[in-house]
Amino acid sequence: KQEVTQIPAALSVPEGENLVLNCSFTDSAIYNLQWFRQDPGKGLTSLLLIQSSQREQTSGRLNASLDKSSGRSTLYIAASQPGDSATYLCAVRHNNNDMRFGAGTRLTVKP
Amino acid sequence: ETGVTQSPTHLIKTRGQQVTLRCSSQSGHNTVSWYQQALGQGPQFIFQYYREEENGRGNFPPRFSGLQFPNYSSELNVNALELDDSALYLCASSLGGTSTDTQYFGPGTRLTVL
Repeated sequence: KQEVTQIPAALSVPEGENLVLNCSFTDSAIYNLQWFRQDPGKGLTSLLLIQSSQREQTSGRLNASLDKSSGRSTLYIAASQPGDSATYLCAVRHNNNDMRFGAGTRLTVKP
Repeated sequence: ETGVTQSPTHLIKTRGQQVTLRCSSQSGHNTVSWYQQALGQGPQFIFQYYREEENGRGNFPPRFSGLQFPNYSSELNVNALELDDSALYLCASSLGGTSTDTQYFGPGTRLTVL
């Protein structure tokens, strides 16, 4: 059974700092991995999707990497801003369309 | 382009009642997935519908059922509500069938069971 873990559970950084969020998964037979952002009480916004054959994806200040063999993914956020404050979730997808989420990392960027 | 919409926004029910939640998929999308998100946790996959057929199901009991209509909108029905069913219910639409299948989420329906 796939287990997805995100560390740390919460993170507080000053504005401008670069940071890394971690995601690990136990079953490497994944279809793809996706990073989402969730604001309090809201739905999820897709940030980056990495296919199982890819190593990384970049969008603006965000860079996500995937190492399937070790069951790890990281989300790198450069030059953090207060507007980046949110919960960040990673999710892995299997061929049966089941998508397993981690519990998320709650990020606070202080002005 | 219209995004994913869900109704109602909030709902309060009592234990044992039945509830129907609705989702309109993003224009052009033929796949809808439903998730349950308890407070402080990540979403859990309930099931997915592709072109009106169930196309995958998570570990939820049969009292969680769904429908997808010809216009690809969808309903989630929950019978015999329990207190633990209190959660944010999210639907997501996608084009389906490819490895670049990004899911686009709606804002969710907050269900409270008393």
